Formats: sequence, C-alpha cells, structure tokens
Amino acid sequence: AQTVTQSQPEMSVQEAETVTLSCTYDTSESNYYLFWYKQPPSRQMILVIRQEAYKQQNATENRFSVNFQKAAKSFSLKISDSQLGDTAMYFCAFMNLPQKLVFGQGTRLTINP
Amino acid sequence: KAGVTQTPRYLIKTRGQQVTLSCSPISGHRSVSWYQQTPGQGLQFLFEYFSETQRNKGNFPGRFSGRQFSNSRSEMNVSTLELGDSALYLCASSSKLVTPNEQFFGPGTRLTVL
Repeated sequence: AQTVTQSQPEMSVQEAETVTLSCTYDTSESNYYLFWYKQPPSRQMILVIRQEAYKQQNATENRFSVNFQKAAKSFSLKISDSQLGDTAMYFCAFMNLPQKLVFGQGTRLTINP
Repeated sequence: KAGVTQTPRYLIKTRGQQVTLSCSPISGHRSVSWYQQTPGQGLQFLFEYFSETQRNKGNFPGRFSGRQFSNSRSEMNVSTLELGDSALYLCASSSKLVTPNEQFFGPGTRLTVL
C-alpha cells in the first residue's frame, strides 16, 4: 500500500520569507501523480500544485514550486515570498488509482506578520 | 461554474442512529470521491463513484455505504453511528475529460456523534 509521510507537523515563518515543506512517499508504481493541497481554517481543500511522475520538470505555480526527486521518492513544496494568506494546513497527496488520493498527515504552516 | 456543494454543512446525531450526507459535483463531472477527516487518522479515502458505479473502496466497515445517481449527485450513508464516526466528511469531484486526476473538493459536512 502507498504511504505518504510529512515529517514536519508544524512550521512558522515570517511574511515574505521562503519556506519548504517536506514530503516523502512509498510506492512500487511507476506511473502516479503527486499533489499539494492547502486547507485554510475554513476547511475548504484547495489544490496548490500537481506533478505527474513521468515528467522530469518540476511543476511551478506562481510563488509555489516543487522539488520532485523520483528516485528518492521525495516531493517538497517551496513557497516563495510567503503571505499571511498562506497560513493553512498543507497536505501532500499521492494518486495512482483513479481518483483515490492518499494523504500525508499534514503540516500546519503559520505565516507571521 | 458552481463548485462542489455538500449538504448539510453540520450535523449532530446520537450513537446508533444513521445519517445520509449529500454531494453535488461540479456540472459535467462524473466522478465523486468521499473522504473522512479526523484529527487522529487524518484524511482517509472512503469510496469513489463513476457513472453510478463504485470503482474504488477504502478500508472502512460496511456501515459506510454510498451511491451515485444518474445526474452524478452522490450520497453517503453511515448506519449505526459510533462516537468515532465524528469527523469532517469531504467529497470531491473530477472530470477525466477536463483535468484528469484533479479533484475539486466541497466544503465538507461536519458530523458530530454524541
């Protein structure tokens, strides 16, 4: 069974700083997708960024980028120029079966003014 | 385009009762997945429906069941409620034709079992 591990339960940085959230996963599959989801206090789960395993190029969405190391089974999220609105729980997730996401335990990120 | 909607948003039940939660996917989305979120177990996959058929199922007891209607709306039922069923239940929809494997989540239903 696939597992996803987020080793940082909580992180805190100052506004405008850069922060990196770690995620490792375990799978024997070669084709899969990886995601970072954000869950603010409103509890609405929002997709931040996605990465297809067959793509070597790291995904980027504005201030959010990933460092995807397939051999190491590592998928970290970098948030540049962090903003107060980035405060949320961040979940790393894995998918290989259609529409079945396996989530990590989450990292609570706080951006301080 | 309207997002995924879930009703009700909050629900309080007592042990032994049963409950039905509803999810309306984004228009045109035919896949609906359900997840349970608790502080102890985190986010866990319950099941996924596509075109009225259950395609995948997580490791939950048979008290948890679901169905999907021809308009893609889905319901989830939990019978004989236990205290441990208290959780946020999230539903997500997706469209293979538009953004494969990307799921859009609803706001969730907060179930409290007393």
